[in-house]
Amino acid sequence: GAVVSQHPSWVICKSGTSVKIECRSLDFQATTMFWYRQFPKQSLMLMATSNEGSKATYEQGVEKDKFLINHASLTLSTLTVTSAHPEDSSFYICSAIRQGRANEKLFFGSGTQLSVL
Amino acid sequence: AQKITQTQPGMFVQEKEAVTLDCTYDTSDPSYGLFWYKQPSSGEMIFLIYQGSYDQQNATEGRYSLNFQKARKSANLVISASQLGDSAMYFCAMREGTTGYSTLTFGKGTMLLVSP
Repeated sequence: GAVVSQHPSWVICKSGTSVKIECRSLDFQATTMFWYRQFPKQSLMLMATSNEGSKATYEQGVEKDKFLINHASLTLSTLTVTSAHPEDSSFYICSAIRQGRANEKLFFGSGTQLSVL
Repeated sequence: AQKITQTQPGMFVQEKEAVTLDCTYDTSDPSYGLFWYKQPSSGEMIFLIYQGSYDQQNATEGRYSLNFQKARKSANLVISASQLGDSAMYFCAMREGTTGYSTLTFGKGTMLLVSP
């Protein structure tokens, strides 16, 4: 079963509104989560690294004030797209690192399709 | 320069046949890891197989095997005995050094269609 839950799976909103996407690690604590953006038939592009209890690290070209990331607990990171516009329409997907005894594994959420009208 | 190159936008294969999905990579770091993920139409990224740069043997996971040719910097995914459920996008990805998953870079993907 899924070990990372992402919600909602799809959302449609009006231009100018804000949308919050949640990413939860279900049976493990994740100090680090990642947020990606994927355009149709394109690859995943890392937007930011979400660190529990501290500020997110954004990739070059990603607007911090536009894409707010909060990682307030060890099992939850949220991405808020503020004042969304049609160009923000995209598939957003999160991932979380699960630390094991010998290694660490990366698990992905099922993604959120955002459509801004 | 692209770090991960997948030259096949789409591939067709008949059920029960084997298929090879190409991936070449570019890095100057001696320590790196190579991943293959499957993304069905539902959107989630499913981990398939991993190859470390220092691994002596090619990785295998069930029907998936990785043809790792270090000198050529290629890490092709081989799927044996294709099944209809294998139809999906497949992404090759690379993690460089020991900096963790923040350096994970994905290729543009290959769409695989398996026909009956």
